[in-house]
Amino acid sequence: GIQVEQSPPDLILQEGANSTLRCNFSDSVNNLQWFHQNPWGQLINLFYIPSGTKQNGRLSATTVATERYSLLYISSSQTTDSGVYFCAVVDNYGQNFVFGPGTRLSVLP
Amino acid sequence: DGGITQSPKYLFRKEGQNVTLSCEQNLNHDAMYWYRQDPGQGLRLIYYSQIVNDFQKGDIAEGYSVSREKKESFPLTVTSAQKNPTAFYLCASTQGYNEQFFGPGTRLTVL
Repeated sequence: GIQVEQSPPDLILQEGANSTLRCNFSDSVNNLQWFHQNPWGQLINLFYIPSGTKQNGRLSATTVATERYSLLYISSSQTTDSGVYFCAVVDNYGQNFVFGPGTRLSVLP
Repeated sequence: DGGITQSPKYLFRKEGQNVTLSCEQNLNHDAMYWYRQDPGQGLRLIYYSQIVNDFQKGDIAEGYSVSREKKESFPLTVTSAQKNPTAFYLCASTQGYNEQFFGPGTRLTVL
C-alpha cells in the first residue's frame, strides 16, 4: 500500500517564527488532507488539497502531485499552533485514508 | 450544527469486559471510519464502512467489532479479546473520497 512520510518529526519554534512541514507519499493520490491535532486530541481540518495551493490566514499548503509531496507553511507562529500536524492520503486504488506519523510542533512564548 | 459526536468522552473498562463506543454523524456521509491512536503515535484504521449494512476490516481489527445498521451511526465494540485496549479512539466520516471529518474522540482506559 501507499507509504506516507512526514518531516521533521519534531519542531520547536519561538513565537513569531515561520516553519515548513513536509509530507511525502509513495504513489499517486486522489485525496490529501492536512490536520492539526490540538492538546485535547481533537483533529482539526486544515486543508483538503490533492493538488495545487491554498491559503487560510497564516497557514498555506501546496501539493505537487506529480512529485508526490505536499508542504504546509505556518507563518508568524503562535503558541496555539502547538500540537501534532498530520498528513493523510487516499491513493488511486484504495478506499482508505493512510496517515503519516505526524510532526509535533511546539511554539514557545 | 452538522458534525460528528462520540460518547462517552472517557471510558473505563475492567479486564474481561466488552464496551461499546458510540459514533453518530448528521453530515449525511456514506462512509464512516474508526481509528485507534496510542500515546505519541499516529492513527491506525480499525474498521470502515462505505455504506449501510456493510463494513470492512482495517489494519488492526482483531479484538474489535462494528455494526452499521443506520447511515448516521457506526458503533465500535471493544471486546475482551483485545489484549491492550487502552487508547484514544477516533471516529470519522466522509462523502466519497472527499474531505474527512473527525469526532472529538473517546479515551478508553483498562483498569
